[in-house]
Amino acid sequence: ILNVEQSPQSLHVQEGDSTNFTCSFPSSNFYALHWYRWETAKSPEALFVMTLNGDEKKKGRISATLNTKEGYSYLYIKGSQPEDSATYLCASPDTGGFKTIFGAGTRLFVKA
Amino acid sequence: EAGVVQSPRYKIIEKKQPVAFWCNPISGHNTLYWYRQNLGQGPELLIRYENEEAVDDSQLPKDRFSAERLKGVDSTLKIQPAELGDSAVYLCASSRGLAGGTDTQYFGPGTRLTVL
Repeated sequence: ILNVEQSPQSLHVQEGDSTNFTCSFPSSNFYALHWYRWETAKSPEALFVMTLNGDEKKKGRISATLNTKEGYSYLYIKGSQPEDSATYLCASPDTGGFKTIFGAGTRLFVKA
Repeated sequence: EAGVVQSPRYKIIEKKQPVAFWCNPISGHNTLYWYRQNLGQGPELLIRYENEEAVDDSQLPKDRFSAERLKGVDSTLKIQPAELGDSAVYLCASSRGLAGGTDTQYFGPGTRLTVL
């Protein structure tokens, strides 16, 4: 079964800091890589879906890159704000492309 | 567009009691998922429906868990009897059912279950 790993498990930064975290996945039989943001007491929200090696996606101050050959994706947040505090989940479909395997998430705390 | 609706948001029960969770997906989404998220872990798929058919229930503990999606719209997940280890967040999600792994899932807020 596919194993998706995220690091670090948690991260504490000051407002204004830029930060990044990693998602690792098996590079064989790759379909897609999804990033979600999950704020406390809210629904997980889709950020990006990435499919192509070298792909880069951007949404405001958040961006993500993808390396399918080595099996990793980075999520970057530029100038972190307290409202960025959330758990960031990455996920990748298993064999067949339908069953989604989630990482354990990186929990980000941004202090004002 | 209304999002995925789940109820209840929180539930506290004694062990051995039954519990049920309800989910109403986004209109037009054929695929519905139930996930369980244990503390410190990512969501794990319990069951996936395509319309009213359960196409992947391999991770559903069938001795105590059951699910249904009558008429291919809303869904209910039941646990009977609940055990202490069932304490978790239960998430429902829906999607359009696109092939190829690019299907974005839209999540409800989850039900936080505590079994005492």
